[in-house]
Amino acid sequence: AQSVTQPDIHITVSEGASLELRCNYSYGATPYLFWYVQSPGQGLQLLLKYFSGDTLVQGIKGFEAEFKRSQSSFNLRKPSVHWSDAAEYFCAVGGSNTDKLIFGTGTRLQVFP
Amino acid sequence: DTGVSQNPRHKITKRGQNVTFRCDPISEHNRLYWYRQTLGQGPEFLTYFQNEAQLEKSRLLSDRFSAERPKGSFSTLEIQRTEQGDSAMYLCASSQRTPETQYFGPGTRLLVL
Repeated sequence: AQSVTQPDIHITVSEGASLELRCNYSYGATPYLFWYVQSPGQGLQLLLKYFSGDTLVQGIKGFEAEFKRSQSSFNLRKPSVHWSDAAEYFCAVGGSNTDKLIFGTGTRLQVFP
Repeated sequence: DTGVSQNPRHKITKRGQNVTFRCDPISEHNRLYWYRQTLGQGPEFLTYFQNEAQLEKSRLLSDRFSAERPKGSFSTLEIQRTEQGDSAMYLCASSQRTPETQYFGPGTRLLVL
């Protein structure tokens, strides 16, 4: 079955600290992977995506993610978190044989000053 | 470049009433998607259109739900005889082709009393 797992429901970090949000997926075909961010009461904004090629992808707001096929993972990282990064983060998977995205349950990021 | 727009942004209704939501995609995008997001969960796929054709529907889309995209531009999602379990955020997204990024609107938050 196709699925996305985000093991961390809630993460709290201090401003300026590094961040890693975990994402594991299960997908039968070649996966296309996405990270979206959602502020309270808002829609989703794309941070970055992976379709093919270089497994380390750069996104907006200083975020990056690394695709590791052997571990079925696509973890999101940021070297120094800003207070404005506090939000809900969703990992999603799609593929060449489907148009729909399958989302994880999200990780809520809280940033302390 | 205007993004995906959704109206209304909020809707409160009584159980048993019908509601209709509208989504206007990014103008050159021929694919349009509907997702539902309940509290503490990631978005779940409901249905999608390529131009006017509705190509896939989730099992989540019961007989009380109907979606249309009559001219391949905007789309409507109607829920008949609403139930309290229908309370959720309804998100619309659009894309130009597959694979491609899905751009999300701000959502319509529905509360069924």
